[in-house]
Amino acid sequence: DIQMTQSPSSLSASVGDRVTITCRASQSISSYLNWYQQKPGKAPKLLIYAASSLQSGVPSRFSGSGSGTDFTLTISSLQPEDFATYYCQQSYSTPHITFGQGTRLEIK
Amino acid sequence: QLQLQESGPGLVKPSETLSLTCTVSGGSISSSSYYWGWIRQPPGKGLEWIGSIYYSGSTYYNPSLKSRVTISVDTSKNQFSLKLSSVTAADTAVYYCARGTPAGYGMDVWGQGTTVTVSS
Repeated sequence: DIQMTQSPSSLSASVGDRVTITCRASQSISSYLNWYQQKPGKAPKLLIYAASSLQSGVPSRFSGSGSGTDFTLTISSLQPEDFATYYCQQSYSTPHITFGQGTRLEIK
Repeated sequence: QLQLQESGPGLVKPSETLSLTCTVSGGSISSSSYYWGWIRQPPGKGLEWIGSIYYSGSTYYNPSLKSRVTISVDTSKNQFSLKLSSVTAADTAVYYCARGTPAGYGMDVWGQGTTVTVSS
């Protein structure tokens, strides 16, 4: 099975900050990496697919990069509504998928 | 606009079978391009993929749950279902159904989730 490891597990930041979350795969997954945002009590929301493609309707302050085993999600200027938990997910072995453990983004 | 809705008992006794259904509206479950999945989230924890199914009936399960999981599809009702047998308290979670996109482009439509508690 492909394991996904996110870092950090939690992060404190302020509105307007630039934030980067990292996701590492246990083997090469090319660009088969997706990012989700989850707010308390809500279902996850797809933000980025194929490592760097922005899902329709997602603000352009979100961006993704990487290939192979190392990937990043960047939020260029944090907004109040961005404080949430973020998950990476590999789809290299679709429909066998795996999620990272999550990164909780909190207000400093 | 495609919508997914989970339904089923919110309380299941230990050792019994958890059964949930996901109803798809605003679109057809019989698209060869998409797959349909179940994901769960224990309280305060992360997301765990349970399994997936294509409309043809082909199924794929998380190896850690494979011996207890059955996912099926009913194209006439535009539904797919989850059965998880021999449940324990560790199976207490919010259960989500979701649509998987072609070429591994993520799971783009999710149900709101349903909470299942395993307790006597």
